[in-house]
Amino acid sequence: DIQMTQSPSFLSASVGDRVTITCRASQSVTDWLAWYQQKPGKAPKLLIYRASNLQSGVPSRFSGSGSGTEFTLTIYSLQPDDFATYYCQQSHTSRTFGQGTRVEIK
Amino acid sequence: QVQLQQSGPGLVKPSRTLSLTCAVSGDSVSNNRAAWSWIRQSPLRGLEWLGRTYYASKWNTDFAESVKSRIMIMADTSKNQFSLQLNFVTPEDTGVYYCVRVIDGASDYWGQGTLVTVSS
Repeated sequence: DIQMTQSPSFLSASVGDRVTITCRASQSVTDWLAWYQQKPGKAPKLLIYRASNLQSGVPSRFSGSGSGTEFTLTIYSLQPDDFATYYCQQSHTSRTFGQGTRVEIK
Repeated sequence: QVQLQQSGPGLVKPSRTLSLTCAVSGDSVSNNRAAWSWIRQSPLRGLEWLGRTYYASKWNTDFAESVKSRIMIMADTSKNQFSLQLNFVTPEDTGVYYCVRVIDGASDYWGQGTLVTVSS
């Protein structure tokens, strides 16, 4: 199985901050990488697909980059609605998720 | 607008079969651009992909190795829905189960989630 490791697992940030979350794959997944946002009691919401494509309706302050084994989700100017848990997921070989990064208010 | 509506019991006894159904509206389960998957989430295992079915000239399925021996996912085109059956459940199968539509490797629409507890 391809293992997905996110860092950090937790981060504390303020409204307006730029936030970066990293996801590393144990082997290359080329660009088969998606990012999701999840709030308590809700299903995950797709933000980014194929590593860098913004899902329709998602604010442009979200951006994804990377290929191969290292990927980044950047949130430019964090908004109150962005405090949530973020997951990466590869779909190159089977499908596996990272363990999540919780973004909380400083 | 695509919607996925899940149904099924929230309590299953150990060693029995977990059965959930996902009714699809706004798309067809026969859409050959899409796959229809089940994902579960628990504090112990996090988000875990279980398997998928998709139509590409014929119906196909793929399953996670961790559940491959006891899972079935089937589509019912007459009702435009797909289902999950997980056999011989244990308390480790407790969690929130989601049905999802997958396009371009990403899950763009999710069901509302069903909390399934395995307990006698």
